[in-house]
Amino acid sequence: DIQMTQSPASLSASLGETVTIECRASEDIYNGLAWYQQKPGKSPQLLIYNANSLHTGVPSRFSGSGSGTQYSLKINSLQSEDVASYFCQQYYDYPPTFGAGTKLELK
Amino acid sequence: QVQLMESGPGLVQPSETLSLTCTVSGFSLTSYNVHWVRQPPGKGLEWMGVMWSGGSTDYNSALKSRLSISRDTSKNQVFLKMNSLQSEDTTTYYCAREGIVGDFDYWGQGVMVTVSS
Repeated sequence: DIQMTQSPASLSASLGETVTIECRASEDIYNGLAWYQQKPGKSPQLLIYNANSLHTGVPSRFSGSGSGTQYSLKINSLQSEDVASYFCQQYYDYPPTFGAGTKLELK
Repeated sequence: QVQLMESGPGLVQPSETLSLTCTVSGFSLTSYNVHWVRQPPGKGLEWMGVMWSGGSTDYNSALKSRLSISRDTSKNQVFLKMNSLQSEDTTTYYCAREGIVGDFDYWGQGVMVTVSS
């Protein structure tokens, strides 16, 4: 199975700040990567697919980049509603596997 | 619009069998794959298995001996059954639709299951 290593595990940032979350795959996943946001008590919601494509309705302050084994999610101008956990997932190969998550809090 | 909704018992006895239902609307089970994913409290996401649109299934190798996924297309429902439940199976269970490219584009609200006597 492809292992997904996500960092940092937790992150504290101020409103308006730019934050970046990283995800590293154990082998090349050819941009078969998604990012999800999960607010407390809610189900995960798709943000980014194919490493850099924004899902319908997702604010443009979210962006994804990367290739090969290294990927990142960037949130520009952090808003209070962005407080959540974020997970990466590879779907290039079966079984699909997830990163351990990053918990984003306000400073 | 696309919706998925999990249902099932909130409490299961140790060693018993868990039965969950995912009822979908806004799309056809014969056109989209539906996955089951679980998440222990405060932890990460674990893929459990998939009902392919063609009707076959695949399972997480760690759960394969205990897990069964089936469906009733006439009722727009996908079913999960897992036997020999233990305390470590206490978690929230989600069903999710697989999007065109392989991501999980829509999720149910989840059902929390506690394994306890």
